[in-house]
Amino acid sequence: KAGVTQTPRYLIKTRGQQVTLSCSPISGHRSVSWYQQTPGQGLQFLFEYFSETQRNKGNFPGRFSGRQFSNSRSEMNVSTLELGDSALYLCASSFQLAGPETQYFGPGTRLLVL
Amino acid sequence: GQQLNQSPQSMFIQEGEDVSMNCTSSSIFNTWLWYKQDPGEGPVLLIALYKAGELTSNGRLTAQFGITRKDSFLNISASIPSDVGIYFCAGYSGAGSYQLTFGKGTKLSVIP
Repeated sequence: KAGVTQTPRYLIKTRGQQVTLSCSPISGHRSVSWYQQTPGQGLQFLFEYFSETQRNKGNFPGRFSGRQFSNSRSEMNVSTLELGDSALYLCASSFQLAGPETQYFGPGTRLLVL
Repeated sequence: GQQLNQSPQSMFIQEGEDVSMNCTSSSIFNTWLWYKQDPGEGPVLLIALYKAGELTSNGRLTAQFGITRKDSFLNISASIPSDVGIYFCAGYSGAGSYQLTFGKGTKLSVIP
């Protein structure tokens, strides 16, 4: 079965711009989580969606937002990009009512902010 | 936010050697997970641990859930070149979502 897909895989933006990243979960998975990965901070939780509702949110500024569609696909948006937003953005999907160990990660979108 | 202390940050070992890495936390976790990440890929789950004291193996990998629920370790026996990658520990507190708290990773290099 197809894994978690993320598009685009690579992205270059300039400061002040905004960006939208997309995540398509594994078929049948209804929970999607997003993480930011940087060399300095490691993997940090951004937010989690289930059935189009944000279930949890990490400690990131309001410039970071997300949503989930009825087909479980999810997008995250970062507005007014800063240099520090350069990172690998990972999404993970899981089947509800199973534990967190059932999360499957996508390959990530690498964002470079210039 | 909350972080796990993972050590060592990096390791260079000879093929065939055993490897050990660990994670500690100031908070209790209900589940400990160990992941491996290869370049250009997302983390892949290696082992999941669910209760204090649990010792679980997956092939050459063995992991333990610390008695205090604040630590975990991962051992890799008889390392091979394909073990190269970054290993992450992650803790789950069971707070109603699937939010994971990750360590900063141990980068493993295996010298053939």
